[in-house]
Amino acid sequence: QVQLEQSGTEVKKPGASVKVSCKASGNTFTSYYIHWVRQAPGQGLEWMGIIYPTGVFTSNPQNFQGRVTMTRDTSTTTVYMELSSLRSEDTAVYYCAREWPNTFKFDSWGQGTPVTVSS
Amino acid sequence: EIVLTQSPGTLSLSPGERATLSCRASQRVSSTFLAWYQQKPGQAPRLLIYGASSRATGIPDRFSGSGSGTDFTLSISRLEPEDFAVYYCQQFGSSRYTFGQGTKLEIK
Repeated sequence: QVQLEQSGTEVKKPGASVKVSCKASGNTFTSYYIHWVRQAPGQGLEWMGIIYPTGVFTSNPQNFQGRVTMTRDTSTTTVYMELSSLRSEDTAVYYCAREWPNTFKFDSWGQGTPVTVSS
Repeated sequence: EIVLTQSPGTLSLSPGERATLSCRASQRVSSTFLAWYQQKPGQAPRLLIYGASSRATGIPDRFSGSGSGTDFTLSISRLEPEDFAVYYCQQFGSSRYTFGQGTKLEIK
């Protein structure tokens, strides 16, 4: 059973960047995709983007184009999501989630990382 | 972008009753690309249904999904106390994922 363990709570000022990590257990790290999804307080789920086993990533052009970078470190089985030029609207819980290739379902999720953007 | 609209926004039912949640897409969605998730307060979402009608591992058979094209349904046959939560539909299309705004299932 793959588990995704995320980094802890972050508090940032507007204009800063935040980098959230997602460490995967198990020995199949190079086989699956990792997605990032966020949830603003009291709101629904918003898909941010995907990083493939090759390290190539695609971000949602709505709200995130040019502001998000995703990387993966095979040696530590960790995926990172960095969001730059933070604004108050980026205050949310950020989740990583796993997808086995071309299954179109997120079958394992991290516990979430709260990020607060405030001056 | 394909927009998913869920209804009702809030559904008030009692344990033992049947729940029917709707998800309508602004364009046709392949059934392969339609999933449902359950989220409880303070928790990450949990996959319930994928491919519009297949139950995920460990999901009780009181949960079922149906539909095609632009109209999809999540049904819960006999509500258990642990089923009261928020439910989201999700689709993949035009190279991106979108979620519905959620249906809150609350105890009447």
